Amino acid sequence: QKEVEQNSGPLSVPEGAIASLNCTYSDRGSQSFFWYRQYSGKSPELIMSIYSNGDKEDGRFTAQLNKASQYVSLLIRDSQPSDSATYLCAVLARQLTFGSGTQLTVLP
Amino acid sequence: GAGVSQSPSNKVTEKGKDVELRCDPISGHTALYWYRQSLGQGLEFLIYFQGNSAPDKSGLPSDRFSAERTGGSVSTLTIQRTQQEDSAVYLCASSLSSREDGYTFGSGTRLTVV
Repeated sequence: QKEVEQNSGPLSVPEGAIASLNCTYSDRGSQSFFWYRQYSGKSPELIMSIYSNGDKEDGRFTAQLNKASQYVSLLIRDSQPSDSATYLCAVLARQLTFGSGTQLTVLP
Repeated sequence: GAGVSQSPSNKVTEKGKDVELRCDPISGHTALYWYRQSLGQGLEFLIYFQGNSAPDKSGLPSDRFSAERTGGSVSTLTIQRTQQEDSAVYLCASSLSSREDGYTFGSGTRLTVV
């Protein structure tokens, strides 16, 4: 079992819709969780962090954490074509461990 | 510096040659990380520095890979006798401490072994 698993997609949503990205992790002791966005040919960029169970909102982004289910998600409301990228889930254990990413395409 | 700086941005080398990749972290960041990203793949952890010491080098794929950090700042990743499977983007990241709120990545070095 991979330490951090994501649906690789690709995921396509129409402009203005909600994009839902999911991630599960195996280390029950993990305490810090992150979402990175990576545009094609660019380096990862941190967009959200979450440490406690529940929801954390930042603009159009909402991160959700459920430690009992070992599940992290990212919701993007009012998706825009500029949100088209690969989204990487990362979990901090000994070091930051990344999932393989979900490729999101927002269709105009 | 204002961000994490990596050089060169691109490197093409012949199989069997040695290469050195450089990372200059954000000023004041004590923790430094090297990751590797192969085409279409996620990020693979290579090594972590806290100051000049490397408490975790578990991700280095073979003894051809080594890294050092001097002065608590610049780090160099060296790959000896490069192989085609070493072709990837090598990303460096830094953070204020090992438990920092996320890492800041440099723009990476794209290594191509021909």
